[in-house]
Amino acid sequence: QVQLQESGPGLLKPSETLSLTCSVSGYSISNGFYWAWIRQPPGKGLQWIGSMYYNGRTSYNPSLRSRVTISVDRTKNQLSLKLSSVTVADTAVYFCARVAASASTSWGQGTLVTVAS
Amino acid sequence: QTVVTQEPSFSVSPGGTVTLTCALSSGSVSTRHYPSWFRQTPGQPPRTVIYSTNTRSSGVPDRFSGSILGNKAALTITGAQADDESEYYCVLYMDMDSGSWLFGGGTKLTVL
Repeated sequence: QVQLQESGPGLLKPSETLSLTCSVSGYSISNGFYWAWIRQPPGKGLQWIGSMYYNGRTSYNPSLRSRVTISVDRTKNQLSLKLSSVTVADTAVYFCARVAASASTSWGQGTLVTVAS
Repeated sequence: QTVVTQEPSFSVSPGGTVTLTCALSSGSVSTRHYPSWFRQTPGQPPRTVIYSTNTRSSGVPDRFSGSILGNKAALTITGAQADDESEYYCVLYMDMDSGSWLFGGGTKLTVL
């Protein structure tokens, strides 16, 4: 059974770069599926940030595209997220997920990132 | 800009039936959007209820069903239980080639 675990700094200052890692166990990222980052501001709904296909092809939410980079470290079986020039509006719980159209989505537990001066 | 719309809130009596919907601001929802439904309680990550329009995720009771109703995706709970009280989100694939997703705003379901 696949398991996903997000990790990274919980507190950032405005203008800094958010860097998160999703450690995947029980399944190799290189074997298939989309691997996605989703976020949820406090008290609000879910927002898709972007996805990486298992072959490395990426796609991003147009509203975040200029600031987002998703990458993979296949040797560590880890997915990474970088979001540059953060503001308080980027405060959210960040989830990673394994996604496919014809399969159940598997979610990590999420990690809270707070942006404050 | 395309938006996915869900009812903000819904209430159902225990044992009752409720249908939550998921609509696109431009066009109809179809099976080609591979609608998924997630439920989420406070402080917890989302859990998959339905994927690919009408397939229940492992362990989900058969009182949950998914469908396309008219031009919307729908999640129906038949014989609602108190434990079903939750926030429910739909998500649609907007481009299968890129895997891009678009979430609805969520429906807060109250069972009382």
